[in-house]
Amino acid sequence: GAGVSQTPSNKVTEKGKYVELRCDPISGHTALYWYRQSLGQGPEFLIYFQGTGAADDSGLPNDRFFAVRPEGSVSTLKIQRTERGDSAVYLCASSPDLYNEQFFGPGTRLTVL
Amino acid sequence: GQNIDQPTEMTATEGAIVQINCTYQTSGFNGLFWYQQHAGEAPTFLSYNVLDGLEEKGRFSSFLSRSKGYSYLLLKELQMKDSASYLCAVRERDSNYQLIWGAGTKLIIKP
Repeated sequence: GAGVSQTPSNKVTEKGKYVELRCDPISGHTALYWYRQSLGQGPEFLIYFQGTGAADDSGLPNDRFFAVRPEGSVSTLKIQRTERGDSAVYLCASSPDLYNEQFFGPGTRLTVL
Repeated sequence: GQNIDQPTEMTATEGAIVQINCTYQTSGFNGLFWYQQHAGEAPTFLSYNVLDGLEEKGRFSSFLSRSKGYSYLLLKELQMKDSASYLCAVRERDSNYQLIWGAGTKLIIKP
């Protein structure tokens, strides 16, 4: 079956611009996670959705970051006024619930110039 | 506090065995995961331990000692395709059951 998909695969933007990153989870998975990963580091937790609600957004670094999952399936991570320090690979993962293994998408490589 | 330590890089020979260690200090341990990540790709699940002991899955095995805050991933009969980063992640009750990730161990396999 289809795995987790993310679009775009690469995004280059200028400092100060707004970007949206999309994640399509595995069908039927109620849990959805956003992470970001810098080179040589493990994934850094950003936010976790259970269904449509953000059950844990404690990892969002500041109020420039926001994520939604309005129908409990596709999720969008939104970054306002991008900064060079936001450059990273943004990974999305889904799982049947909070306690199962997570299935990762291929990631979106964001570069802020 | 949260702290997960893994060696940064290891080198092994094709056909040999390698053990990748992970030590952790967390609040409210609730399970440990190992993931494999090839360069430029997403992490993929390898194993899960929540009780002490060894879990074997083909060429890969994972061990956990909760009292020591210690786990290892054992890879046997190494193949060139096993060259990747191996990430240790701990699930914590006190972090709302989110995974806390180590920085990963880059494993280089030589012929």
